[in-house]
Amino acid sequence: GAGVSQSPRYKVAKRGQDVALRCDPISGHVSLFWYQQALGQGPEFLTYFQNEAQLDKSGLPSDRFFAERPEGSVSTLKIQRTQQEDSAVYLCASSLATGLTEAFFGQGTRLTVV
Amino acid sequence: ELKVEQNPLFLSMQEGKNYTIYCNYSTTSDRLYWYRQDPGKSLESLFVLLSNGAVKQEGRLMASLDTKARLSTLHITAAVHDLSATYFCAVSFGNEKLTFGTGTRLTIIP
Repeated sequence: GAGVSQSPRYKVAKRGQDVALRCDPISGHVSLFWYQQALGQGPEFLTYFQNEAQLDKSGLPSDRFFAERPEGSVSTLKIQRTQQEDSAVYLCASSLATGLTEAFFGQGTRLTVV
Repeated sequence: ELKVEQNPLFLSMQEGKNYTIYCNYSTTSDRLYWYRQDPGKSLESLFVLLSNGAVKQEGRLMASLDTKARLSTLHITAAVHDLSATYFCAVSFGNEKLTFGTGTRLTIIP
């Protein structure tokens, strides 16, 4: 497709359940980012990949959060033992290269932990 | 730590009026972005500002950047209903990680 694609669009998880969120970046985009957006707030950075290398994971809120991009294309954000405070929209963005290039955002996955 | 503040957080204005949204950031940045977000939708890029004094305009929206004051403004001219949305500014320095403001929820009243 032409844009960043995320799946699922909506996910309801019971507290304690593990979830996996998928991001398909724009083809050829080197950089990939995950952000967390709580209700009524701005997005907050989680982690950043350049190709398959995870260069910055300083925003991951706990060791229950894990992200990977094994082949430098599709990325998965995994949350283990979900908690209610994990409820948010998870946004993925990709950009063509490092440096002064614009990032394009996907539509996000809305995670609700009940 | 880079911090970004926007004001106002909420803005209700009548069609045809002008208004300005402000974005202050705490440390040196090499890029400033303005995004629009409609309810339940993703972020749409509006402007990228790279240098001091940069001004960009698209339709009824105009963005400017003062790097010395660490301030950007988004000016809305003669507002129309379809500009109703939440507007975010975001800054970055070095790598492309973005730090977002809390957003300004704009409602245009007919």
